[in-house]
Amino acid sequence: DIQMTQSPSSLSASVGDRVTITCRASQTISRYLNWYQQRPGKAPKLLIYAASTLESGVPSRFSGSGSGTDFTLTISSLQPEDFATYYCQQSYSNFWTFGQGTKVEIK
Amino acid sequence: EVQLVESGGGLVQPGGSLRLSCVASGFTFSNYVMSWVRQAPGKGLEWVSSISKSAGNTFFADSVKGRFTIHRDNSGNTLSLVLNSLRADDTAVYYCAKDRSDDSSGYDSWGQGTLVTVSS
Repeated sequence: DIQMTQSPSSLSASVGDRVTITCRASQTISRYLNWYQQRPGKAPKLLIYAASTLESGVPSRFSGSGSGTDFTLTISSLQPEDFATYYCQQSYSNFWTFGQGTKVEIK
Repeated sequence: EVQLVESGGGLVQPGGSLRLSCVASGFTFSNYVMSWVRQAPGKGLEWVSSISKSAGNTFFADSVKGRFTIHRDNSGNTLSLVLNSLRADDTAVYYCAKDRSDDSSGYDSWGQGTLVTVSS
């Protein structure tokens, strides 16, 4: 199975900060990489698919990049509603594995 | 509006069984691969199982293979997950999720989740 590793596991940031989360796949996954946001007690929400395509309705401060094994999620200017946990997910194989998550907390 | 509503969770003893259901509305159910994803308390997301549009193909995580089965009823817009030989580490919120499209581009809709607790 393809393993997904996110870093960091958690980070503290202030409103307005630029935040970058990385995700590494254990083998090449082309651009089959998706990003989700999960707020406490809520279901995950798809933010970005195919590594860099913004899902409809998602603010443009979110962006994704990468291909092969290394990917990044960037929030250009952190807003209060962005404090949440973020997960990457590969959809290259038949078994869509997730990263362990990155919790973004208020500094 | 797409809606996915799960039910069937609850408290079950180790070794027991449970059937989870997910009723879909707001889209053509038979046109989409459907999946189950779980989240243990305080932990991350874990893909559990997926089923193809016609139910001809099913896939399972190694952690549940041989114990869980997945079904769909396209006439009734319902997805099911049957959990057998339950263990304490199966305790989690179970979400049903809809593929965004045919191009493996993630899950664009999720249910609210149903909690399964395995404990004596």
